[in-house]
Amino acid sequence: DADVTQTPRNRITKTGKRIMLECSQTKGHDRMYWYRQDPGLGLRLIYYSFDVKDINKGEISDGYSVSRQAQAKFSLSLESAIPNQTALYFCATSDALGTGTGVLGSGANVLTFGAGSRLTVL
Amino acid sequence: AQSVTQLGSHVSVSEGALVLLRCNYSSSVPPYLFWYVQYPNQGLQLLLKYTTGATLVKGINGFEAEFKKSETSFHLTKPSAHMSDAAEYFCAVSEASGSRLTFGEGTQLTVNP
Repeated sequence: DADVTQTPRNRITKTGKRIMLECSQTKGHDRMYWYRQDPGLGLRLIYYSFDVKDINKGEISDGYSVSRQAQAKFSLSLESAIPNQTALYFCATSDALGTGTGVLGSGANVLTFGAGSRLTVL
Repeated sequence: AQSVTQLGSHVSVSEGALVLLRCNYSSSVPPYLFWYVQYPNQGLQLLLKYTTGATLVKGINGFEAEFKKSETSFHLTKPSAHMSDAAEYFCAVSEASGSRLTFGEGTQLTVNP
């Protein structure tokens, strides 16, 4: 099983519908993130959570909400989807701290990504 | 505020040729810098990172990058491209350990036989 699992992988919906994207992880990481990827724009941070009681807005949080149900689960909701929310959404996790051992090491900025959820809003 | 600019949204090289992907950053404090790679239909994976210390950083799959403060650059290189290197590459910056990552726009690398 993947370390970070996103469901659904693909979703087509209509304008005005409520959508939830779910993310679960087996890494044991404290920190979880939701990013949005658009061609030519890279990845932009929507929301992030450093622990179960900590939720923070990212650079593009308008129109989105999140819930951290447990250390391992972080869901993203679109209360009323609109076409410009059509994008590829990624969940990611990271350690709060890391030893930095090995070529890559670990640490707060070493993100482990899920495979992505492609959302199309018609 | 921090930002990243990747020069060239598409780069094409021949198999065996040098790979050079350019990244320039802006940061008001000493940066932490990263390169991530995204293979088709997958999430991003860390290639390498610079935090402190040696400015030439080696990563996985033969990639390396050099932090040049005077040029505010962190270009990614690989001496000899393989077909399997075809992917999208993202440069990212953060201002301190534990703070948020800001990603560049991405560079799509094509490797021609």
